Amino acid sequence: EPEVTQTPSHQVTQMGQEVILRCVPISNHLYFYWYRQILGQKVEFLVSFYNNEISEKSEIFDDQFSVERPDGSNFTLKIRSTKLEDSAMYFCASSVGGGRETQYFGPGTRLLVL
Amino acid sequence: SQQGEEDPQALSIQEGENATMNCSYKTSINNLQWYRQNSGRGLVHLILIRSNEREKHSGRLRVTLDTSKKSSSLLITASRAADTASYFCATALTGTASKLTFGTGTRLQVTL
Repeated sequence: EPEVTQTPSHQVTQMGQEVILRCVPISNHLYFYWYRQILGQKVEFLVSFYNNEISEKSEIFDDQFSVERPDGSNFTLKIRSTKLEDSAMYFCASSVGGGRETQYFGPGTRLLVL
Repeated sequence: SQQGEEDPQALSIQEGENATMNCSYKTSINNLQWYRQNSGRGLVHLILIRSNEREKHSGRLRVTLDTSKKSSSLLITASRAADTASYFCATALTGTASKLTFGTGTRLQVTL
């Protein structure tokens, strides 16, 4: 069964450094998402992406964040200058259609900013 | 209440018993989805119920949706130790293109 994959599974970085989290969505899906979950808290929406552009973003997704689909298979989340509060589990998800359809999540990347 | 608030926060049952988790939300929705998360792991999709549906089944799972009360329930029948996990409801709101809004989750513990 197709699944969303994410790399790396864990990332440790120093405050102020740039990180890129990578995702490979399910191949026939058209909508891609990033969410994050700070330890012990809710899963929070960051951004959705469709047709090579951002379709929706949350207040969390400020200028420090960017997303890109550099080729036909990868979907990346870049954090330009990490802060301590960016430490969280970051989940990528994809769906065939938009918000009316099932979103399938990857296993997550645990980011720790020191 | 917040959009997507689960009740109870924690539930402990014995293997073989049924587990019922509830989710309440505030605004109109397109659909409601239930996910499971094992400790520190990814989110596994369980079931999606659309706003025009009242009940759906999938194996040992039964989900109901009452849009007049803005609530949903997830019933797991004949629970197993492997069902131990956190369960989240997530709503796709009317008028939003794509995002899911997650609830606070119910932590289910199934003991032998």
